[in-house]
Amino acid sequence: QVQVVQSGVEVKKPGASVKVSCKASGYTFSSYGVSWLRQAPGQGLEWMGWISAHNGNTNYAQKFQGRVTMTTDTSTSTGYMELRSLRSDDTAIYYCARDRSGSHTNDYWGQGTLVTVSS
Amino acid sequence: QSALTQPASVSGSPGQSITISCTGTSSDIGGYDYVSWYQHHPGKAPKLMIYEVSNRPSGISNRFSGSKSGNTASLTISGLQAEDEADYYCSSYRPSTLYVFGTGTKVTVL
Repeated sequence: QVQVVQSGVEVKKPGASVKVSCKASGYTFSSYGVSWLRQAPGQGLEWMGWISAHNGNTNYAQKFQGRVTMTTDTSTSTGYMELRSLRSDDTAIYYCARDRSGSHTNDYWGQGTLVTVSS
Repeated sequence: QSALTQPASVSGSPGQSITISCTGTSSDIGGYDYVSWYQHHPGKAPKLMIYEVSNRPSGISNRFSGSKSGNTASLTISGLQAEDEADYYCSSYRPSTLYVFGTGTKVTVL
């Protein structure tokens, strides 16, 4: 069965970087994309961007361009999201999800990774 | 990039039906049949309930149904149950940004 498991809790200082991982199993990783989203405290879901696990093409939300990098490692079926120059308002739960590009939907989600940015 | 507009909250009694709206523009909802709905219980992974406007993934109850008219999509939950109490988000394909999500709706079962 399809599973998506994310890395654990992160605590970072302002200005630092964080890299969250997302390990997939139960399907052919390179046949799908990976979307990254986040939910800040008391806020809704916010789409951050997408990467094709087939060819590495990316599409980042304008808000995060220049500060985010999404990558994949097909040898380990793992996706990564690195966010740099962290600020306190980057404190959020970060989610990855399998992207079914043909249907423009995200059908399997990770459990979420809490990233806290605090001095 | 502006989010899709959803009501902040919707409530209903057990057994009733409720409908959640999701309003966008002709550049997203109105232009493409790529609307999805997600159920999110706090502390858990969001769950896909509807994709491509009205399709249910395997294992999703037929109490959940989706539709679209013009720039507005809707999710209807019939036979409301206590376990349906959660936050619900719509999303749509938008060529300029790939995805746009809704503001979220808290469903309360009275």
